[in-house]
Amino acid sequence: ELKVEQNPLFLSMQEGKNYTIYCNYSTTSDRLYWYRQDPGKSLESLFVLLSNGAVKQEGRLMASLDTKARLSTLHITAAVHDLSATYFCAPQWGATNKLIFGTGTLLAVQP
Amino acid sequence: GAVVSQHPSRVICKSGTSVKIECRSLDFQATTMFWYRQFPKQSLMLMATSNEGSKATYEQGVEKDKFLINHASLTLSTLTVTSAHPEDSSFYICSASDPGGRSYEQYFGPGTRLTVT
Repeated sequence: ELKVEQNPLFLSMQEGKNYTIYCNYSTTSDRLYWYRQDPGKSLESLFVLLSNGAVKQEGRLMASLDTKARLSTLHITAAVHDLSATYFCAPQWGATNKLIFGTGTLLAVQP
Repeated sequence: GAVVSQHPSRVICKSGTSVKIECRSLDFQATTMFWYRQFPKQSLMLMATSNEGSKATYEQGVEKDKFLINHASLTLSTLTVTSAHPEDSSFYICSASDPGGRSYEQYFGPGTRLTVT
């Protein structure tokens, strides 16, 4: 059974600071997704990482994937208040390509 | 981009009644759809995988007789919560894969908030 853990579960940071969210998973997976969720809303796709060593960047967010270590990171650069949300990683697994979601990281960016 | 809709967006029902939630892929045909449930301040939990024209595959611990899934066409899957109880109150989200595009990617619907009184 695939287990996915995110670290930290809650992150309070000041605007302008940098930080990294970690996503560890227990079983081999070659694809991993990052999503953002605002309160009361569904998911917004941020990144899809398709292979080992993949790195993608969009604005102040950068995601990477190390399939050998079963680790993905989401790095936040110079945080702004608008980034406040819950972030989920989700490795893709199995013949049906199902997603198994991590525990989520609630990010609160303080002015 | 691929769009997935859900209906209704919110529903309130009385305990013991059944409620149906629809998930539609609007601009593509989805051979596979997924149903997730999310309780407040928790992660998304996969309930089942729905394949067009065949029976759904349920995740361990999900009661298939309580959560009926039908995927009768390439653009529509439905989830029926039978004999709903207050503990079924949750945010239900569907997603769909586009085999004609990037078949590995899932496109998420806006979710349905179910409240059982």
